[in-house]
Amino acid sequence: NAGVTQTPKFQVLKTGQSMTLQCAQDMNHEYMSWYRQDPGMGLRLIHYSVGAGITDQGEVPNGYNVSRSTTEDFPLRLLSAAPSQTSVYFCASSTGLAATYNEQFFGPGTRLTVL
Amino acid sequence: AQSVTQLGSHVSVSEGALVLLRCNYSSSVPPYLFWYVQYPNQGLQLLLKYTTGATLVKGINGFEAEFKKSETSFHLTKPSAHMSDAAEYFCAVITNRDDKIIFGKGTRLHILP
Repeated sequence: NAGVTQTPKFQVLKTGQSMTLQCAQDMNHEYMSWYRQDPGMGLRLIHYSVGAGITDQGEVPNGYNVSRSTTEDFPLRLLSAAPSQTSVYFCASSTGLAATYNEQFFGPGTRLTVL
Repeated sequence: AQSVTQLGSHVSVSEGALVLLRCNYSSSVPPYLFWYVQYPNQGLQLLLKYTTGATLVKGINGFEAEFKKSETSFHLTKPSAHMSDAAEYFCAVITNRDDKIIFGKGTRLHILP
């Protein structure tokens, strides 16, 4: 199993550009989520999904869109990039809802810089 | 609302010394508690978790943590630090009510030779 994969690993954008961060998992996990990690801030939940066709907002959803058309994929879209979105983005998946206390498996991250 | 506080953004210990990373949580219902570790340029991986039952939880790489309800704490310990333990450690909490995981801000552990 490849686990959780993320592409690209690095990305530089100009303010106002849009892009999609890709996330895929091959473990048949129902629950997937996106976090951003900023120095001194820990990880903050952006959006999450409890299954195909179902998504919900996390702690910091503004400026981001998600969709979940398949169990395997959970792309994160930046609609109009801003310097405040410069961060490291992690995708994670688990076998069930977070409330069922299952371990989350994290991807290697995407380092995004917005100029 | 639930929250997690990790005391100390940086902790330094000598190789072979005790490692103690502090985590306090706030939750109005019984929590599920986790410690994750992040090595440089990698994603997070689970060290250990507490759900119910025994309050002393053992994890990978010799780490353990004790859930103390009266102190609302879930501190992470390891008897003898190794150079390979240098990483960032995150405490996290979830409850049935919120169904979302909340991470602390992290503690970077430095191991001195």
